[in-house]
Amino acid sequence: GNSVTQMEGPVTLSEEAFLTINCTYTATGYPSLFWYVQYPGEGLQLLLKATKADDKGSNKGFEATYRKETTSFHLEKGSVQVSDSAVYFCALSDNALERQLTFGSGTQLTVLP
Amino acid sequence: DSGVTQTPKHLITATGQRVTLRCSPRSGDLSVYWYQQSLDQGLQFLIQYYNGEERAKGNILERFSAQQFPDLHSELNLSSLELGDSALYFCASSRGRQGTEAFFGQGTRLTVV
Repeated sequence: GNSVTQMEGPVTLSEEAFLTINCTYTATGYPSLFWYVQYPGEGLQLLLKATKADDKGSNKGFEATYRKETTSFHLEKGSVQVSDSAVYFCALSDNALERQLTFGSGTQLTVLP
Repeated sequence: DSGVTQTPKHLITATGQRVTLRCSPRSGDLSVYWYQQSLDQGLQFLIQYYNGEERAKGNILERFSAQQFPDLHSELNLSSLELGDSALYFCASSRGRQGTEAFFGQGTRLTVV
């Protein structure tokens, strides 16, 4: 079946540090890949997505590249801010399975001033 | 604001009881998904409806059921509640086409006491 393995947290960084959260996946076919973010007390918000190999998704300074050869979709940001503190979820949508999302376990990020 | 509305935001009920969670999808979205977020299981897909019909089932217990009405809103019914059913229940909606992202509501936090 499909699965998403995500870097264990929590991750604590200082403001302006470089962020990488690793994500690898197992899926049949050609899934779409997503990063969602959950701020405290809120629902999940889509951060970025990529629908085919070598696509790069980007938003709010975050980036992730769909790497089919390594089955990875690592999230990066060059300079984090305190406001980036949240839980980040990597997810895939298998188009053969009606597009419901399979999520990773989530990574808690705390950015200190 | 994602455009997905879930009610109620919080629900406290006793074991053995039955509750109904409601979701109104974004305007124009035909697919509705229900997810459960708990500390031990993470984010798990429960069930999907597309334009009124059940499309896919995930890890949904037999005590749980859902439906999608002609106006496309959806309800998730949880019965014979147990302490372990305490969780955050999210509804998401999407256009249902390949690569399109799901938009999540703010969730209903269910506490079973």
